[in-house]
Amino acid sequence: SQKIEQNSEALNIQEGKTATLTCNYTNYSPAYLQWYRQDPGRGPVFLLLIRENEKEKRKERLKVTFDTTLKQSLFHITASQPADSATYLCAPPGGGFKTIFGAGTRLFVKA
Amino acid sequence: DSGVTQTPKHLITATGQRVTLRCSPRSGDLSVYWYQQSLDQGLQFLIQYYNGEERAKGNILERFSAQQFPDLHSELNLSSLELGDSALYFCASSPRWADAYEQYFGPGTRLTVT
Repeated sequence: SQKIEQNSEALNIQEGKTATLTCNYTNYSPAYLQWYRQDPGRGPVFLLLIRENEKEKRKERLKVTFDTTLKQSLFHITASQPADSATYLCAPPGGGFKTIFGAGTRLFVKA
Repeated sequence: DSGVTQTPKHLITATGQRVTLRCSPRSGDLSVYWYQQSLDQGLQFLIQYYNGEERAKGNILERFSAQQFPDLHSELNLSSLELGDSALYFCASSPRWADAYEQYFGPGTRLTVT
């Protein structure tokens, strides 16, 4: 069955550094993948969508890559700030119009 | 503010009861999604509607049902509630039925079953 894996352990980094989060998928080949940010007790917020024919996509300090050979997407936040502390979810389609959300990786950016 | 509204924000009820959660999508969005997020659990897709029709079904229990009305608002009905149904329930909307579009999430309804 389709499986999504994100770093289960929290990622702790220092302010100003680049945070890199990983999303691995198995048993299928999604045509695209989305990344969302979720703060505790709040709804996820859409960040970026990358399609299989796009190697990389950027938005301000955010960058997403999509490697269909490795079956992996990397999400980078450059010049990270304490306000970037949140849980980041990757979300490929689940087939039949469903969306699968990964369990998320918690990011803590220390000042 | 995503433009998606959900009511109520909080709901406390007893086991065996029935509740209705309401969602109004962003203006112009035709698709509505429902998700369940239990404590320390990921988002679980429940069901999707597009312009009034059910489009996709996820891990939705038979005790749960949903519908989307002509004005595009949606309701999620949860019946015979159990303690394990306590969770955050999110509604999201997107402009198209195809899932290659971002979803805009509401603030959620926190359901506590006692």
